[in-house]
Amino acid sequence: GESVGLHLPTLSVQEGDNSIINCAYSNSASDYFIWYKQESGKGPQFIIDIRSNMDKRQGQRVTVLLNKTVKHLSLQIAATQPGDSAVYFCAENGDNAGNMLTFGGGTRLMVKP
Amino acid sequence: EAGVAQSPRYKIIEKRQSVAFWCNPISGHATLYWYQQILGQGPKLLIQFQNNGVVDDSQLPKDRFSAERLKGVDSTLKIQPAKLEDSAVYLCASSLERGLAGIYEQYFGPGTRLTVT
Repeated sequence: GESVGLHLPTLSVQEGDNSIINCAYSNSASDYFIWYKQESGKGPQFIIDIRSNMDKRQGQRVTVLLNKTVKHLSLQIAATQPGDSAVYFCAENGDNAGNMLTFGGGTRLMVKP
Repeated sequence: EAGVAQSPRYKIIEKRQSVAFWCNPISGHATLYWYQQILGQGPKLLIQFQNNGVVDDSQLPKDRFSAERLKGVDSTLKIQPAKLEDSAVYLCASSLERGLAGIYEQYFGPGTRLTVT
């Protein structure tokens, strides 16, 4: 079936560096994408979203890029901090009539002090 | 604003036993979701409610899993009988609407970690 996946399971970066987390999706009908952050023992927390009619969206220290041509999504975190250490999931909404999300497998971000 | 509440936080049972999880969504949120998250994987949607009606339960193993939201607020998810492969974190989420006119952010609870031995 359609799925959302990630290229790298673990990403280790130095504090202060920029982080880039990638995600590939296969459902070309998806029109909405979300990045979630999940810390140990907690539920996923919304970070940023983007609709398919956009190719870039910026938040506070985070930027999401969408390349529909190659069905690729990325999350950029500027000046990565120890508090950014978590597992990051991309999710897609492929159902225009609902709010159903399909999650990818996750990337663990480790920030070294 | 209080978040999504779930209980218990942890549960250990033997296979073939029964277990129930409870979720209280954010006040005013019409849509409620139950997800299963196996260790190392992303959450997988099990069932979605709009008020007290089921919107989608296509991925719910109905031979052993059941869920209800009788009054359109709290919800319970039950597993009977449990299998070893049911060991996972069960997440509840809620959102304002089902999203016909747009996509509404889902807010997740802390989850219930189930271990089946």
